[in-house]
Amino acid sequence: GAVVSQHPSRVICKSGTSVKIECRSLDFQATTMFWYRQFPKQSLMLMATSNEGSKATYEQGVEKDKFLINHASLTLSTLTVTSAHPEDSSFYICSARRAFTSGGDYEQYFGPGTRLTVT
Amino acid sequence: KQEVTQIPAALSVPEGENLVLNCSFTDSAIYNLQWFRQDPGKGLTSLLLIQSSQREQTSGRLNASLDKSSGRSTLYIAASQPGDSATYLCAVASGGYNKLIFGAGTRLAVHP
Repeated sequence: GAVVSQHPSRVICKSGTSVKIECRSLDFQATTMFWYRQFPKQSLMLMATSNEGSKATYEQGVEKDKFLINHASLTLSTLTVTSAHPEDSSFYICSARRAFTSGGDYEQYFGPGTRLTVT
Repeated sequence: KQEVTQIPAALSVPEGENLVLNCSFTDSAIYNLQWFRQDPGKGLTSLLLIQSSQREQTSGRLNASLDKSSGRSTLYIAASQPGDSATYLCAVASGGYNKLIFGAGTRLAVHP
């Protein structure tokens, strides 16, 4: 259990276009989903946190008008990179959080990532 | 602001060696700590999760310890194998929404 999928796994787009990435929790309901970005040979940087039915909370320095996040259901969150530019080329990874049944601590389950290349 | 540091940044060892990877964090108010493995160009594989109330977790040849008061965790890999070659990431859950803050990772190469 606790599988998270992302679609597409790889996308190439032209500068100026928009790209949508989907993140789905396949066998559990996710109270919260997170979006990360990873540049080559660097670690994951949290971009934003989204809760179902409410606006996403963006980390400092992340443009909310450029990276649109929608969390319409407990199993689906989408990240749309608007007016993409070559510097947006990166590996985007989502995670979904499910509450433990006891203890109150939470574990995040990660998707396989989406490689975005903007030409 | 929580910051996570991993040492060493890279490690190359012969097969069979026992390894220790280190992770430190600046704010001890964490909910849990996770160790992940990432292969080149791939997503993350969760290895071990240590709750804030726990001291260690074990899975096969892996053992992770947590000392919240000193802000440290170690990942011990016994009898390393070439298949263990990957980047190992440490992340702590803290702050609002228990968001994960990642270290920069340790790139491990185990050669035959």
